[in-house]
Amino acid sequence: NAGVTQTPKFRVLKTGQSMTLLCAQDMNHEYMYWYRQDPGMGLRLIHYSVGEGTTAKGEVPDGYNVSRLKKQNFLLGLESAAPSQTSVYFCASSRTVYNEQFFGPGTRLTVL
Amino acid sequence: GDSVTQMEGPVTLSEEAFLTINCTYTATGYPSLFWYVQYPGEGLQLLLKATKADDKGSNKGFEATYRKETTSFHLEKGSVQVSDSAVYFCALTLGVLTGGGNKLTFGTGTQLKVEL
Repeated sequence: NAGVTQTPKFRVLKTGQSMTLLCAQDMNHEYMYWYRQDPGMGLRLIHYSVGEGTTAKGEVPDGYNVSRLKKQNFLLGLESAAPSQTSVYFCASSRTVYNEQFFGPGTRLTVL
Repeated sequence: GDSVTQMEGPVTLSEEAFLTINCTYTATGYPSLFWYVQYPGEGLQLLLKATKADDKGSNKGFEATYRKETTSFHLEKGSVQVSDSAVYFCALTLGVLTGGGNKLTFGTGTQLKVEL
């Protein structure tokens, strides 16, 4: 099992560009999450999904959109990147709402 | 709101030294508590957890006890190794979000460096 994988690992964007981060999990988990990690702030939840075709906002959703068209994939989109979105992005998944969350290796995004 | 406070890092120790990383929390209900570890260049991995007061979580020589009276969940290890060098995150969850998700609230992380 690969667990949770994320692509790309690194990306540099210019302000105003768009991109999509892909998260894939092979554990048949229902729940998936996107977090961002910033120095001195821990991890903060951006969006999450409780199953295929569903998405919901976390605590810092502005400037991001997500989609969960397939159970194994959870996409995070930036329509118009801003320097404030420079961060490390982590995807996570869990079998149920009460189970451990498994994290991917992260995507380091820099917006110039 | 709910929050987790961890001691500032980095913490630098010699191999075989005793480790304590402090974690205290504020929560409106009865949270479950976790310690996650992040090795360089990797994602977070669950290290240990405790779901109710006085529970002790343990794994790989690390321990933490859920202390409701002091709202704390301090991480300890009796003898650290160089391979324990990583960033350690304390986290809590109160369970389901509106809509069904499970939100983890993280502390800011504590970097541990273990030297020979």
